[in-house]
Amino acid sequence: DVKVTQSSRYLVKRTGEKVFLECVQDMDHENMFWYRQDPGLGLRLIYFSYDVKMKEKGDIPEGYSVSREKKERFSLILESASTNQTSMYLCASLGGTAYEQYFGPGTRLTVT
Amino acid sequence: KNEVEQSPQNLTAQEGEFITINCSYSVGISALHWLQQHPGGGIVSLFMLSSGKKKHGRLIATINIQEKHSSLHITASHPRDSAVYICAVVTGNQFYFGTGTSLTVIP
Repeated sequence: DVKVTQSSRYLVKRTGEKVFLECVQDMDHENMFWYRQDPGLGLRLIYFSYDVKMKEKGDIPEGYSVSREKKERFSLILESASTNQTSMYLCASLGGTAYEQYFGPGTRLTVT
Repeated sequence: KNEVEQSPQNLTAQEGEFITINCSYSVGISALHWLQQHPGGGIVSLFMLSSGKKKHGRLIATINIQEKHSSLHITASHPRDSAVYICAVVTGNQFYFGTGTSLTVIP
């Protein structure tokens, strides 16, 4: 009954590395989101996409980019990882007439 | 400016207690979600509401659209209910999230 998957649960990268986080959903949803979650700050929107090849900046897009070449896949890219990007990254998709929303299991990224 | 406010931020209860978590929002919404996140775990959607009340097991969620307020109730709380509960509202194709309520239920 897998709905939203993320490429890694845990990831450790060095400062300056390029990091790819992948998210795949199997519900044919149009809307996909990348959030980061930090203690005391809750979920903050990085980018979202409402269709293939379409993307919109969220609240904190600096230092990130995204790619959506296929409807089911939404990738988050950290061009040059920094220690302040250490966080939990959550992907979500939204769709259907009932505004069904599903989250992936999250990727805990540590940048050293 | 927070579009979604939750209270309380932290809550500790004894097993068996009735628990209420509140959510107020300031934007027009098409739906409201209550989400649950266990430590180290992903987020699951408990309820999606656009009006009235929903019940699932020991969990009850209500929403008052006029007052822009929703509550999540847990009856006969149990230690396995310990988690962070997050209120999220949908407007257009955007979500706005509360910062969550951390619930600890002590045996």
